[in-house]
Amino acid sequence: AQSVTQLDSHVSVSEGTPVLLRCNYSSSYSPSLFWYVQHPNKGLQLLLKYTSAATLVKGINGFEAEFKKSETSFHLTKPSAHMSDAAEYFCVVTRSYNTDKLIFGTGTRLQVFP
Amino acid sequence: DAGVTQSPTHLIKTRGQQVTLRCSPKSGHDTVSWYQQALGQGPQFIFQYYEEEERQRGNFPDRFSGHQFPNYSSELNVNALLLGDSALYLCASAISGRTDTQYFGPGTRLTVL
Repeated sequence: AQSVTQLDSHVSVSEGTPVLLRCNYSSSYSPSLFWYVQHPNKGLQLLLKYTSAATLVKGINGFEAEFKKSETSFHLTKPSAHMSDAAEYFCVVTRSYNTDKLIFGTGTRLQVFP
Repeated sequence: DAGVTQSPTHLIKTRGQQVTLRCSPKSGHDTVSWYQQALGQGPQFIFQYYEEEERQRGNFPDRFSGHQFPNYSSELNVNALLLGDSALYLCASAISGRTDTQYFGPGTRLTVL
């Protein structure tokens, strides 16, 4: 079975400070891992994905994530938060050889204060 | 190039009624998946359609059914609506064999009274 646990339901940062959104995964298979962002009244947008290539993955809008197998983690980071980063973020896992069914975490709401 | 579109945007139904939601995939995509997102939760996989057949299904009762048309668009039908069916229903499309990259529509907000 596969699952993801997002360790924080809410994260608040000041504009210009670093962002860290934490995600641990559980998988019986070699996983593929993703981060999606959901802005209010908008669809889910793929930020980045890990599919067994480089363990440090760079995504859109300055976000990146590092796959750490020993820690079963896939934390999302950004060096400097922008007001437009305020949104809901989802960590997602799927089996690497069957990427049809996406399994979502419960989400982390990121607030950015001026 | 239009992305994934869904209709309607919002819908209000009463318990016991039936509802049909519609999805048009991104141009060039042949695979459509449906997800249910309850308030404050992450999306949950309902099922996926490819070549007009249901290819995978999540843990949802038979009240949830779907269809895919020859132009790859899809419908999600829910019968005998329950209050707990109130949620945002998301459609995602992809190219078969490249389903590691799925594009999501804005969703249909269903409220069951």
